Amino acid sequence: EAGVTQFPSHSVIEKGQTVTLRCDPISGHDNLYWYRRVMGKEIKFLLHFVKESKQDESGMPNNRFLAERTGGTYSTLKVQPAELEDSGVYFCASSPSGGNTIYFGEGSWLTVV
Amino acid sequence: AQTVTQSQPEMSVQEAETVTLSCTYDTSESDYYLFWYKQPPSRQMILVIRQEAYKQQNATENRFSVNFQKAAKSFSLKISDSQLGDAAMYFCAYRRRGSQGNLIFGKGTKLSVKP
Repeated sequence: EAGVTQFPSHSVIEKGQTVTLRCDPISGHDNLYWYRRVMGKEIKFLLHFVKESKQDESGMPNNRFLAERTGGTYSTLKVQPAELEDSGVYFCASSPSGGNTIYFGEGSWLTVV
Repeated sequence: AQTVTQSQPEMSVQEAETVTLSCTYDTSESDYYLFWYKQPPSRQMILVIRQEAYKQQNATENRFSVNFQKAAKSFSLKISDSQLGDAAMYFCAYRRRGSQGNLIFGKGTKLSVKP
């Protein structure tokens, strides 16, 4: 069974540009989460989808970040316009309904120059 | 606010030896979960072990065990008979019961295993 997959694995963009990260959760997992780790800091929760609905978006840093999960399958996280401080690793994770274990992807490394 | 602290940025252990990674947390909640995640280089972060706060018995998974001290808010991970494949970043995490995916992580401990 495929795990959580993320694309791209690495991305280097210029300040002011737009980047879209994609996450494919484990098939059948209703819950999908985005986290990020800025260099030298803790991994921080961004938001949580249950199917296509945003259950909790309390961790989203500002309105330059837009997450979607149309159809309740894969999710995208768009950063527009990107700033230098957005550099870091963006993790996607998923879990089944009622499950306590969260499964993570390998992360998407974003570098804004 | 809940916080998780891992005081050891890096640790090193000799192959076949035992190592303990420290984690402390701060919360006013009484019902929560604690986790240790492992992320090998360029690999997925995987769950190593999980502890429910209401359980007094320390969780164990093969060579991995925890020392859960609820009153002291301490949750250390012991790796016995260390193997080269144990080299990774280890993250301690907390989740309040009912908060679903809002995990709170420590900064991580980078573990090196020497042959």
